[in-house]
Amino acid sequence: DTEVTQTPKHLVMGMTNKKSLKCEQHMGHRAMYWYKQKAKKPPELMFVYSYEKLSINESVPSRFSPECPNSSLLNLHLHALQPEDSALYLCASSQDSGGLGGYTFGSGTRLTVV
Amino acid sequence: AQSVTQPDIHITVSEGASLELRCNYSYGATPYLFWYVQSPGQGLQLLLKYFSGDTLVQGIKGFEAEFKRSQSSFNLRKPSVHWSDAAEYFCAVAALGTSYGKLTFGQGTILTVHP
Repeated sequence: DTEVTQTPKHLVMGMTNKKSLKCEQHMGHRAMYWYKQKAKKPPELMFVYSYEKLSINESVPSRFSPECPNSSLLNLHLHALQPEDSALYLCASSQDSGGLGGYTFGSGTRLTVV
Repeated sequence: AQSVTQPDIHITVSEGASLELRCNYSYGATPYLFWYVQSPGQGLQLLLKYFSGDTLVQGIKGFEAEFKRSQSSFNLRKPSVHWSDAAEYFCAVAALGTSYGKLTFGQGTILTVHP
């Protein structure tokens, strides 16, 4: 298995809702990442997990809460989002914690906040 | 901190023509460089990467890239473009130190292919 799987593919949520994005990989990668991509922009790093511990938080608002239950799973919990949080959320993984072996990206979750 | 510049926002080529997408990076040490491709609404697919060694790197789908330290460039090339190559292309750099684990992307180049 050489894929990163993200669910759901599309999500529409209200500003008072609580939802979660899920990411899964079975490549034995020890680092996992969340990126946010707005339309016509490059991906921007949000969080990095290395060996199931949060190693980088790019000053992301607390309404985004990451979780890494085990080495194969990465969640992003969403609460009280704003319409400007609408974007494509990409999960990625890499073999080593520095990402120097290359990153494998999932297909993303298209999030719309109404 | 590292940075990446892709000077061309949009490039249009005819099918069968050659292609070169430009990428310039800024980083104090040896960079680790990547090219990714993204179709509309999709994730990113790795085309190729450079860490060290041979400066001409071969990738998937017939793409190659050349690392030129003197010019701080890592340009992507393809000798003959196919209509299915139409997509957005991102150059990216990864670095060590305080940015360990952080992949920084350029702004992207949108490729349109005319039949």
